[in-house]
Amino acid sequence: GNSVTQMEGPVTLSEEAFLTINCTYTATGYPSLFWYVQYPGEGLQLLLKATKADDKGSNKGFEATYRKETTSFHLEKGSVQVSDSAVYFCALSGTGGTSYGKLTFGQGTILTVHP
Amino acid sequence: EAGVTQFPSHSVIEKGQTVTLRCDPISGHDNLYWYRRVMGKEIKFLLHFVKESKQDESGMPNNRFLAERTGGTYSTLKVQPAELEDSGVYFCASSPRQGRETQYFGPGTRLLVL
Repeated sequence: GNSVTQMEGPVTLSEEAFLTINCTYTATGYPSLFWYVQYPGEGLQLLLKATKADDKGSNKGFEATYRKETTSFHLEKGSVQVSDSAVYFCALSGTGGTSYGKLTFGQGTILTVHP
Repeated sequence: EAGVTQFPSHSVIEKGQTVTLRCDPISGHDNLYWYRRVMGKEIKFLLHFVKESKQDESGMPNNRFLAERTGGTYSTLKVQPAELEDSGVYFCASSPRQGRETQYFGPGTRLLVL
């Protein structure tokens, strides 16, 4: 079946540091890939997505590139801010059969950014 | 446009009691999903409605869980009787179409079974 493996946290950075959160996946076919973020006290929000190989999703300074050859979708940001402190989830959307449409999530990575 | 709403935001019940969670999707979204995150683990799929029909309920853990979506609008998820391992955060999401569409999540219901 489908699976997503995320870099274990927590991750603690200073403001303006570079961020990478690794995400790799196992899936049949060509899934869509997502990064969701959960800020303290809030629900999940879509951060960015990519629907085919070599697509780059970007939003709020975050980027991730759909790499089919390495089955990866690593999240990066060049300069983090305190307001980026949150839990980040990598996810994929299945493309066929019983997995069609439903999201498979990684375990989540807690990011804390200090001033 | 209102987002996905869930009620209650928190629920604390004793083992053996019944709890009903409610989800109101974004208006016009035919697809409604339930997910659950237990004790810091990954978020797991429970089931998927298309309008009022259950499209996929392969993630429902056992027959103590009953989901309904009357009239294809809001949905309820009932746990009866609740067990300790049911504690976690229950998320609802909706999307206009199935497949690669973005799913919009509600804030979740935090359930604690004592």
